[in-house]
Amino acid sequence: GQSLEQPSEVTAVEGAIVQINCTYQTSGFYGLSWYQQHDGGAPTFLSYNALDGLEETGRFSSFLSRSDSYGYLLLQELQMKDSASYFCAVSGDYGQNFVFGPGTRLSVLP
Amino acid sequence: DSGVTQTPKHLITATGQRVTLRCSPRSGDLSVYWYQQSLDQGLQFLIQYYNGEERAKGNILERFSAQQFPDLHSELNLSSLELGDSALYFCASSPRDRGGAGSYEQYFGPGTRLTVT
Repeated sequence: GQSLEQPSEVTAVEGAIVQINCTYQTSGFYGLSWYQQHDGGAPTFLSYNALDGLEETGRFSSFLSRSDSYGYLLLQELQMKDSASYFCAVSGDYGQNFVFGPGTRLSVLP
Repeated sequence: DSGVTQTPKHLITATGQRVTLRCSPRSGDLSVYWYQQSLDQGLQFLIQYYNGEERAKGNILERFSAQQFPDLHSELNLSSLELGDSALYFCASSPRDRGGAGSYEQYFGPGTRLTVT
C-alpha cells in the first residue's frame, strides 16, 4: 500500500519562506507531485519530481529524495493569495493508486 | 480554467438512488481520473482510465462504477447511494497514463458536489 504524511497546518507572514514536508511509504514509486487547492476550488498542479533534486518554478520549488522517501514544497515571497491547502501525491507503479496526502493548510498573515 | 468539464455542478438526491457524473477531459488527454473529496477522508483516488481501458483502481466501492467512452469522455456511476457518499467528486485528465521521467500533471475539473439526503 501507499501512505503519505504532511503537517496539517502551517502559518507564516507575507514575504516569508515556508517549507511543507511530505514523507511517503509506497511499494512502487514513479514520482511525487504537489497540488494547491483554495477553499471551494479544484486542485491545481504545482510541480512534479521523478528524480532526486530540486525543481524550481517561479516562487515555488519542490525537492525529492527517493532514498529518504521524502520531499518538500518551498514557497518563497509568500503572498496572501498563497493561503490554501497543499497536497503532496505519489504516483506508484503501473496499475497502482495515485495517492494524495492529507493536505497542509497554509495561512499567510499580513 | 483547466479545460476539464464536469456536469452537473450540483446534485441532490435521496438515499438508495443512482446518479451519473460526467467528465470531458482536456483536448488530447487520454487519461481520466476520478476522485472523491470529503471533509473526513480528504482527496481519495477512485479509478483511472487511459484511452478507454481501466488503468488503476483505488478505494472505489462496488456500488460505484466508471467507464471511458471512445470520444474519451468518462462517466462515474454511483448506485444505492448512502448519506456517506455525499462529497465533492473531481475528475482530472492527463496526457500520460502514469508518472515517470518528465512532467506529470493532472488537470482537475471544477467538481460535482453530491448531496445525498
